[in-house]
Order: sequence, then structure tokens, then C-alpha cells
Amino acid sequence: SSELTQDPAVSVALGQTVRITCQGDSLRSYDASWYQQKPGQAPVLVFYGETSRPSGIPDRFSGSSSGNTASLTITGAQAEDEADYYCNSRDSSGNHWVFGGGTKLTVL
Amino acid sequence: EVQLVQSGAEVKKPGESLKISCMGSGYSFSSYWIGWVRQMPGKGLEWMGVIYPGDSDTRYSPSFQGQVTISADRSISTAYLQWSRLKASDTAMYYCVRQNTGSWDWFDPWGQGTLVTVSS
Repeated sequence: SSELTQDPAVSVALGQTVRITCQGDSLRSYDASWYQQKPGQAPVLVFYGETSRPSGIPDRFSGSSSGNTASLTITGAQAEDEADYYCNSRDSSGNHWVFGGGTKLTVL
Repeated sequence: EVQLVQSGAEVKKPGESLKISCMGSGYSFSSYWIGWVRQMPGKGLEWMGVIYPGDSDTRYSPSFQGQVTISADRSISTAYLQWSRLKASDTAMYYCVRQNTGSWDWFDPWGQGTLVTVSS
């Protein structure tokens, strides 16, 4: 079982804002990073740290963290954002990494 | 361009051994950790372990400790994931990924994936 918990599925209307959350005790000590995976493709890093978005990732993707919860927010979701999203962080030992179970985002 | 290129798909029988590879280019291979991630059919991502090619420091997820071996040859900028005796449950897509650690942890870029099928 994963030490990071994500909602299995979330939906959002086109152009609206959606927040995908990731919960885990280790998030009180370590930042999360976020990955987008579309069917048949390798995952892609979309956000990490407190404010960091890799080049090429639209600025509608943002991240935040509070207590034991990290969040990825998509402001003005587009059809191409429909994908699986995974959070990642270190485990409680700090020596290993773990992924959340993933959230399937549907854009209506 | 920083990239990781993985070896091709494999079809194996239970009990056989296998070693898949991941070659890095466009950056100092010895200076970044290389991780391996499993994705079973229709399932999520699972972190298996990581190696630092600079000194071969290796860490395994408790779930994969003793099940696989991670190694690297920095002279050819290549990391490996190997099994001594495959099981049908090893059937999955395996990704290598460059892992950054420090102020922030991130995984980027990812290899294209190696599909391993284990079937009698």
C-alpha cells in the first residue's frame, strides 16, 4: 500500500479549476513532485517543490502544500489535461521514494 | 538534450533471467541518481529503487529488495535492472528516470519504457 493517498478519480468542466490532492505523513517533512501520464506514454514532470514548473509546462499548473497534504491545481483545465496524475515524495525514512496511487482526471 | 533511452521489449519465460538497460545522454551521468519505476498493466507507478552512478550507492524499496538488482556502468552512461528468476507477476512496463535530490526532489526525464512480458 502507498504511503501517499490520492483520490482515484476527479472530473472538471472544460475551463474550470480543479485541485488534485495527495496526503501522507512524510509530506510534513518533504516536498511533493507531480507527474502527468497520458495513455501509452511515459510520465512527465509537471510541478515540483514549492513553486517550480519545468520549462514547457503551461502556467495553469501550480502546486501548494499544507501540513500533510500537497496539491496540484489546474486553473482553466483544457481537454489535453485529461490524464493520470501521480504525486511523489520521500517515505517516512527519507531514504526511499514513493508514488501516490494516482488520480484519473476527466475533463468534461 | 537530456534523454534516457531504454532497451527494447522483452518476452521471457518464468524462471529465466533478464537484464534491461537505460542509457543517459546530454548531461553528467555520474552526477544524478537513476531510478527505476514499475507500472503493471492498468496500474499505477511504483518506485523500485535508485542508484548513484558516481559511487554505485544503491537503495531499494522494501517491496523490491531482494527481487531485483540495480547496477550502473558510468563508463558507458548506462544503468541496469536485472532479475535472476522471472515470475509471471514481473510482467510490466519498466521506466528509468533521472532523479534529482537536494533542495527539491524531482524525476526528469523519463525513459521511454521497456515492456517485459513473462509468460510460459
